[in-house]
Amino acid sequence: RKEVEQDPGPFNVPEGATVAFNCTYSNSASQSFFWYRQDCRKEPKLLMSVYSSGNEDGRFTAQLNRASQYISLLIRDSKLSDSATYLCVALGGSARQLTFGSGTQLTVLP
Amino acid sequence: ETGVTQSPTHLIKTRGQQVTLRCSSQSGHNTVSWYQQALGQGPQFIFQYYREEENGRGNFPPRFSGLQFPNYSSELNVNALELDDSALYLCASSRDRGQPTFGDGTRLSIL
Repeated sequence: RKEVEQDPGPFNVPEGATVAFNCTYSNSASQSFFWYRQDCRKEPKLLMSVYSSGNEDGRFTAQLNRASQYISLLIRDSKLSDSATYLCVALGGSARQLTFGSGTQLTVLP
Repeated sequence: ETGVTQSPTHLIKTRGQQVTLRCSSQSGHNTVSWYQQALGQGPQFIFQYYREEENGRGNFPPRFSGLQFPNYSSELNVNALELDDSALYLCASSRDRGQPTFGDGTRLSIL
């Protein structure tokens, strides 16, 4: 079983739609959680941190449920520029390394 | 402020060869981590160097080795290349193992 598992995707949604990504993690000792965005053939970039209290940044809302080891990302009013792969990430271990899920590909259609 | 730079951008090798990938960390950063991203997968942690010492290692064989220099730049060496080593290799630097900044990556193809 992978340490971080995500929805398989791909997600194809029309502009303006609301889309939700889910993720589960298996290592309860993980310290922090993030969503990263990765454009085709580019490096991953931090989208936002995820907290139990929730975290909202404009159209993006992330939520962590430590009891069920579940992480979510909600994107409202999708834009064409939101098309990318979204990676769920847990931080932990002796090196405080990042453990990535396999990613979910989102395509926003005009 | 200079970001993380990696070289080369692309590289083609054949099975059995050896390769060295390079990473210059962002100014003020003393920690470098390397990740391997195969096609269709998320990045996987290879190892981390903190103040020139290996500080942690993922599930990669010993033919993956690394080095960090006094200026905190780093190298990733892979010996006896295999077809499955074809991937995007990402370097990420941070200050005192904090939030990392990723470089653009080196795309390695093994023929």
